[in-house]
Amino acid sequence: AQSVAQPEDQVNVAEGNPLTVKCTYSVSGNPYLFWYVQYPNRGLQFLLKYITGDNLVKGSYGFEAEFNKSQTSFHLKKPSALVSDSALYFCAVTGGQGFSFIFGKGTRLLVKP
Amino acid sequence: EAQVTQNPRYLITVTGKKLTVTCSQNMNHEYMSWYRQDPGLGLRQIYYSMNVEVTDKGDVPEGYKVSRKEKRNFPLILESPSPNQTSLYFCASKVKARGLVSYNEQFFGPGTRLTVL
Repeated sequence: AQSVAQPEDQVNVAEGNPLTVKCTYSVSGNPYLFWYVQYPNRGLQFLLKYITGDNLVKGSYGFEAEFNKSQTSFHLKKPSALVSDSALYFCAVTGGQGFSFIFGKGTRLLVKP
Repeated sequence: EAQVTQNPRYLITVTGKKLTVTCSQNMNHEYMSWYRQDPGLGLRQIYYSMNVEVTDKGDVPEGYKVSRKEKRNFPLILESPSPNQTSLYFCASKVKARGLVSYNEQFFGPGTRLTVL
């Protein structure tokens, strides 16, 4: 069975500092991994995905994520956090034909000025 | 503007009163899906549709029905709502690449907050 774990309910970081939001997964077969962001009272917005190829994936708003097969992780990173990055972040995985999705519980990122 | 729309955005109802939440997309996407979001549980997939007249269950389909008669619409039906279906519901769509497999990203609607008393 597929699963996604986001071990931190909340991540606090000062503006200008690097940020990491953690995600680990468990799938049978090849994993296809996504990060989405949710701002208050909004739907989810796509940030980036890993399908195949380079383990470092670059996405929207300066975010990137590193796929690590041996650690079954797909952590979201940004070199310099902005207050406007404060939001709820979800990691998701799909496999097979890309129809069913498993989302993590979400990690709230709070960037303080 | 390319978008996924949901109606209503907010709904308060009573146990057992049938309701439908509509979802429509204007991007000609083949794939559509419904999710519910609950605190501490993240998003859980209810149903999805790979194309017109083709639907399948997600992780939490009990108590819900869907239909896909047209490509652009994917309504979620609660025939006898119960308080445990109080949640925030999201519809999403994505384009399906040529062939059977698609790992494209999903586009989400703004959400429908449902309260069942």
